[in-house]
Amino acid sequence: QVQLQESGPGLVKPSETLSLNCTVSGDSISRDYWTWIRQPPGKGLEWLGSIFHNGYTIHNPSLKSRVTISVDTSKSQFFMKLSSVTAADTAVYYCARGGVGSGDYSPLDPWGQGSLVTVAS
Amino acid sequence: QSLLTQAPSTSGTAGQTVTISCSGGRFTIGSNTVNWYQKLPGTAPKLLIFNNNQRPSGVPDRFSGSKSGTSASLAISGLQSEDEADYYCASWNDDLNGVAFGGGTKLTVL
Repeated sequence: QVQLQESGPGLVKPSETLSLNCTVSGDSISRDYWTWIRQPPGKGLEWLGSIFHNGYTIHNPSLKSRVTISVDTSKSQFFMKLSSVTAADTAVYYCARGGVGSGDYSPLDPWGQGSLVTVAS
Repeated sequence: QSLLTQAPSTSGTAGQTVTISCSGGRFTIGSNTVNWYQKLPGTAPKLLIFNNNQRPSGVPDRFSGSKSGTSASLAISGLQSEDEADYYCASWNDDLNGVAFGGGTKLTVL
């Protein structure tokens, strides 16, 4: 049974870069897409971006290229960096499997437990 | 602003059937399947329905999904107190080439 676990600092200063890791266990990372989603306090879910095991990525254009997603298949991990953060980037950040595809849209399943990141000085 | 539109809240009494709607457009629901997620407070979202109307293993058949045109619905029958949660729809956006989420509907069981 595949499991995902986010890790990273819980506090980031404004204007700095937020970095998170997602470790995949129980299945190969070398198939499927892997996705980052966030939920700001009191708000809904927001897709940040997704990556395929070969490194192909797609990002939410609303984040204006602040998001960088990468993968290390040898470590069964994928990563997300969000640059120039502000308080508006305070959120619970989730990683999940799947979530990409036109037509028969692949569901996001499973999800990691989430990692709360607060942007504050 | 969410690409898919959901009512912010709904409610029902135990045993009732409630329906949560999700409205999109031709580049989202009109062209792609819809998935539904249940989010309980303090927990990660859980896949409830995929491919418009399919239930993953372990999801009770009280939960059902449907899609028509550019809208989709999630129905919960035999409402139980543990169903109190936020429900999100999601689909692909061919125009954005990315994931479109609904804004979420908070279900209160009275």
